[in-house]
Amino acid sequence: GQQLNQSPQSMFIQEGEDVSMNCTSSSIFNTWLWYKQDPGEGPVLLIALYKAGELTSNGRLTAQFGITRKDSFLNISASIPSDVGIYFCAGLNYGGSQGNLIFGKGTKLSVKP
Amino acid sequence: NAGVTQTPKFQVLKTGQSMTLQCAQDMNHNSMYWYRQDPGMGLRLIYYSASEGTTDKGEVPNGYNVSRLNKREFSLRLESAAPSQTSVYFCASTVKGSVYGYTFGSGTRLTVV
Repeated sequence: GQQLNQSPQSMFIQEGEDVSMNCTSSSIFNTWLWYKQDPGEGPVLLIALYKAGELTSNGRLTAQFGITRKDSFLNISASIPSDVGIYFCAGLNYGGSQGNLIFGKGTKLSVKP
Repeated sequence: NAGVTQTPKFQVLKTGQSMTLQCAQDMNHNSMYWYRQDPGMGLRLIYYSASEGTTDKGEVPNGYNVSRLNKREFSLRLESAAPSQTSVYFCASTVKGSVYGYTFGSGTRLTVV
């Protein structure tokens, strides 16, 4: 089946630093999504990307839909302690019999104050 | 709006016991999903229900059964719990064919001893 390779698995950074993580796939997707999971909670949608090459920002977060439709990256600028959590990429192909999200394995972000 | 509500939040079972995890959404979504999350494994789909009256297996269905009770409710049953089913379980829902991804519940943390 389809799989997403998300990297890095974990990051331990200094407050104020910029963060970059990415996701690659052997298959193309129509939509790329980035979720954040706070400790003890379910994932929450951060950014959705619908078009190859699209660059979208949400506050300090910027994400891009790769031109090949097989990858995406997420950048966080000027990290703060509340950025701590697990970030998941997810690919979606709507339509078809399943139309399910395929998730990456997550990037665990820890921030030193 | 409550969104997606999962009960219970925590549960400890003995090997061989049975239990049902409950999930309800109040967003009039058609499709509902059950995932399990294990360290380093990301989110793996157990079962899903694309619409009321239908259920299908996901990536890791063995040892589980589901019931789509009505449009709002989708339950996950463990008939004979095993230690390998120790995990955090998430329910999610979406509008069928949606390009906006899923809304997740806050999870049920299950320990089987």
